[in-house]
Amino acid sequence: AQSVAQPEDQVNVAEGNPLTVKCTYSVSGNPYLFWYVQYPNRGLQFLLKYITGDNLVKGSYGFEAEFNKSQTSFHLKKPSALVSDSALYFCAVRDNGGGADGLTFGKGTHLIIQP
Amino acid sequence: DARVTQTPRDKVTEMGQEVTMRCQPILGHNTVFWYRQTMMQGLELLAYFRNRAPLDDSGMPKDRFSAEMPDATLATLKIQPSEPRDSAVYFCASGLGARGGEQFFGPGTRLTVL
Repeated sequence: AQSVAQPEDQVNVAEGNPLTVKCTYSVSGNPYLFWYVQYPNRGLQFLLKYITGDNLVKGSYGFEAEFNKSQTSFHLKKPSALVSDSALYFCAVRDNGGGADGLTFGKGTHLIIQP
Repeated sequence: DARVTQTPRDKVTEMGQEVTMRCQPILGHNTVFWYRQTMMQGLELLAYFRNRAPLDDSGMPKDRFSAEMPDATLATLKIQPSEPRDSAVYFCASGLGARGGEQFFGPGTRLTVL
């Protein structure tokens, strides 16, 4: 079975500061990893993914994430936070081998950027 | 700008009533997923289809939920009879079927069962 842990329910960051939203995963094989963002009363929007290759993945809106196989982590980062980054962020995983094609999501982390 | 559309956006109904939610996937996407989001459980996969064939519905309560794809442009999720514990936001997502491909989510249907 695959699982995702987002250890922080909420992350508070001052505008202009770097931000990190943590994610660790568990899969039986090798992972496909995703980050999505959800704004109030909206669906999830894709930010970035790791499939293979370079461990540092760059995505939309200046976000990036680093895949660390030894630590089974895929933390989301941004060098300089904007107030408009405030939203709910989900990490998700899928095993790249067999099994269902659906994503397994973490519980989500509320990111609050303070002006 | 291709998007997944879902109707209705909001639905309030009474316990015991039938509820049907509809989804139009992005044209050309061959895989459609239904997810449910609640405060307690987060996002859960209910069912998914590839090329209109159901591949996995293990996340769905089979006695009251059913999911179908009458054609490539329409997916439906039906609850009969509905119960208060079904209150949630139901998302449809579509994709191209590759295991490394991202899924594109609709805006969701917020269901409230009284």
